[in-house]
Amino acid sequence: DTGVSQDPRHKITKRGQNVTFRCDPISEHNRLYWYRQTLGQGPEFLTYFQNEAQLEKSRLLSDRFSAERPKGSFSTLEIQRTEQGDSAMYLCASSFGRAVNEQFFGPGTRLTVL
Amino acid sequence: GQQVMQIPQYQHVQEGEDFTTYCNSSTTLSNIQWYKQRPGGHPVFLIQLVKSGEVKKQKRLTFQFGEAKKNSSLHITATQTTDVGTYFCAGPNFGNEKLTFGTGTRLTIIP
Repeated sequence: DTGVSQDPRHKITKRGQNVTFRCDPISEHNRLYWYRQTLGQGPEFLTYFQNEAQLEKSRLLSDRFSAERPKGSFSTLEIQRTEQGDSAMYLCASSFGRAVNEQFFGPGTRLTVL
Repeated sequence: GQQVMQIPQYQHVQEGEDFTTYCNSSTTLSNIQWYKQRPGGHPVFLIQLVKSGEVKKQKRLTFQFGEAKKNSSLHITATQTTDVGTYFCAGPNFGNEKLTFGTGTRLTIIP
């Protein structure tokens, strides 16, 4: 399978716990994006990487959220001290090139905070 | 900040009828992309339009980018049950690397 993969697919956690999600993009893609999607809404941009550099972060991304892409390949998204409002689908997407082109989405990680 | 709205929010059609969704951005876009998300699935890229006034066709789907590069439309002719899903437009502002998604139009088909 050469598509974008995400792990885990589902995560249930208690409020206040930390969680980490992983995204493996398509191997030759230099750009990697994280989005959050809640029921009935479109994906909401969180942050993006070009290779290993994090180039833009949404103002919605509070200090509890951090993302890394250490070697320009896979990426992790960590949420510290989770809140019930963090419950959502977290989508990763990758693309190739300099411009904002076609993005290939992974299956997502559904987070439920109890 | 940039806002991208789509109308209608929901559309129920009889199989075989046509369907259109409209996308309007509060700012000028460098390009417009369309994605389809099936129930329980993830967004899948359909097409990208770059030029002002551009029209592209994919079988029964026709995509249009407005002259001012602030609006777009997707028209499906003779809908089929496989067209069920939510259609999102998305676009970046000029000089911006962030893709802003529209509010989406959810299409359901009555067989």
